[in-house]
This record gives sequence, C-alpha cells and structure tokens, in this order.
Amino acid sequence: DIQMTQSPSSLSASVGDRITLTCRASQTINNYLNWYQQKPGRAPKLLIYAASNLQSGVPSRFSGSGSGTNFSLTVSSLQPEDFATYFCQQSFNTPRTFGQGTKLEI
Amino acid sequence: QVQLQESGPGLVKPSETLSLTCHVSGGSISSYYWSWIRQTPAKGLEWIGYFYHSGGTNYNPSFTSRVTMSIDTSRNQVYLELRSVTPADTAVYYCARGSSGFNSPFVYWGLGILVTVSS
Repeated sequence: DIQMTQSPSSLSASVGDRITLTCRASQTINNYLNWYQQKPGRAPKLLIYAASNLQSGVPSRFSGSGSGTNFSLTVSSLQPEDFATYFCQQSFNTPRTFGQGTKLEI
Repeated sequence: QVQLQESGPGLVKPSETLSLTCHVSGGSISSYYWSWIRQTPAKGLEWIGYFYHSGGTNYNPSFTSRVTMSIDTSRNQVYLELRSVTPADTAVYYCARGSSGFNSPFVYWGLGILVTVSS
C-alpha cells in the first residue's frame, strides 16, 4: 500500500494568515493527489484534485502543488470557515489511501 | 445535483453481517466508480473498495475476504455487505462517487452513517 504522511498533524493559525500543509507519498504517485476538507460531523469535501486543480465551487484562496511524492496545499488568506481538518488522498493506485489529516485550529 | 445517502442498521452484533445501502439521486448510477469508505478515530479514513460501471469490483486487501459490493441500476442504489464484523468495524461509513476515470477523486460523498458493532 502507498502510505500518505501529512504534516503537521495540527496547526494553529489566525484569520488572514497564509498557511501551507504538506503531504508525502511513500512512492511516486505522479500527480494523482487529492485534497479534502472535513468539518466535524460532516463528510469530507473535495478541494483540489490531480495535485493542482481547483474543484468547482472552491474558493480561489485554496491552491495545490507538487508531483511525484511531495505535495502541498496552500490557503492564501484564512477565513473563519477554513478551520477544519484537511486530508490528502492518492488515486494513483489501489488500495486508495488517505493521510492521517491536519487539524487547522484558531 | 448529485446526492448520496447511506442507510442501514446503526447497530450490528459481532460475527453478523453489516449491510448498507447508498441511495443515489440527481444522476445516473452507470458509468462511474462507486466507493465505500469508512472513518474511525483510530485509523482515520479507510477505503473499503469500489464497484465500477462495467460490473467489476476492486477491494482493499484488508477487506477482500469478507466484503461484497454491488449496484442496482433500476433502483439507483449501491450496496455494501461486510461479513463477520467485530467491534473494530465500528465506524462512520460513507459512500462516494468518482468519475468515469480510474484515477478520479471522490467528488461526491454521502452524509455518512454511524454503525456500531456491539452485542
């Protein structure tokens, strides 16, 4: 299985901050890396697919980059609604695997 | 607008079979990859497997021996059957839809259903 490792596991930030979350795959996954946002009691929501493509309806303050094994998610200016947990997930191969998540806190 | 909603028993006894249904509205059930994913505090998000439109399945090796997925196109429903459950199978279970491509992300998710395995 491809292991996905996210860092940090938690992050404290403030409204207006620019933050970057990272995700590393245990082997190359080309650009088949997706990012999700999850709020308590809700299902994950797709933000970024194929490493850098913004899902329809997602604010442009979210962006993704990377390829191979190293990826990042950047939020250019945090808004109150962005405080949530973020997961990366590889869709290069099966079994599909997720990172353990980064909890973004105020 | 595609909407998914899981249904099924919220409580299952150990050694019994967990059976869930995913009701799909707002879109065709054909031509897509349909996954089941579960989430626990201990293991996070775990992909159980998918059923894809040509009728095939691809299961996570961790579940292969006791899982079956299927769809009913006439009812627009996707099914999960997980046999011989233990308390470790207690989780929130989600159905999710990708696109028609193998490498697609999980674009649409159900609301999730909490299933507790306990006697």
